[in-house]
Amino acid sequence: LAKTTQPISMDSYEGQEVNITCSHNNIATNDYITWYQQFPSQGPRFIIQGYKTKVTNEVASLFIPADRKSSTLSLPRVSLSDTAVYYCLVGDLYTGANSKLTFGKGITLSVRP
Amino acid sequence: DTGVSQNPRHKITKRGQNVTFRCDPISEHNRLYWYRQTLGQGPEFLTYFQNEAQLEKSRLLSDRFSAERPKGSFSTLEIQRTEQGDSAMYLCASSRQGAGEQYFGPGTRLTVT
Repeated sequence: LAKTTQPISMDSYEGQEVNITCSHNNIATNDYITWYQQFPSQGPRFIIQGYKTKVTNEVASLFIPADRKSSTLSLPRVSLSDTAVYYCLVGDLYTGANSKLTFGKGITLSVRP
Repeated sequence: DTGVSQNPRHKITKRGQNVTFRCDPISEHNRLYWYRQTLGQGPEFLTYFQNEAQLEKSRLLSDRFSAERPKGSFSTLEIQRTEQGDSAMYLCASSRQGAGEQYFGPGTRLTVT
């Protein structure tokens, strides 16, 4: 399974756009990139998933360069409630045998007033 | 609420006792996953069911752990002869086969004293 590397933490202020990067140098051809969000004492929550270029939904955007060795999760105009741990995962979720998720330690985003 | 539910939410037990957790997945999801999460770490895969069949078990799942999904609906995770190292959050997730998104429950926090 491809390994991901993320910074341990980052700080931001309310109203700012936040860009969180993830490195996945060994990503395989069939791997998708998925981001989850987790609040304390809750299970992770799916944010967004993509394979290449750009994906946007009502919550975030995901930017994936052509070589797919990294990705950037973009959160527009963060609020205090966006303070959470964000996980970047890569894996073959569709053709793989079981689609189990492999989490790293994630990045803790702290949004300040 | 049609999300994934887990019971109990919290369990405190003495070392050596047996405990059982229950997970009720989203009704139309045929895949069900168990993960374990310790403080400061991302969730770690334990085991996975497709319908009633248990298709993969992690090496983390020692012989003291057993999981069942008898009718392909709810699942139980039992830990026999609990140890202090079993203290963790136990998360359940479900998904449709072929879907990349997993839906997590709120977890059961186990404390072994």
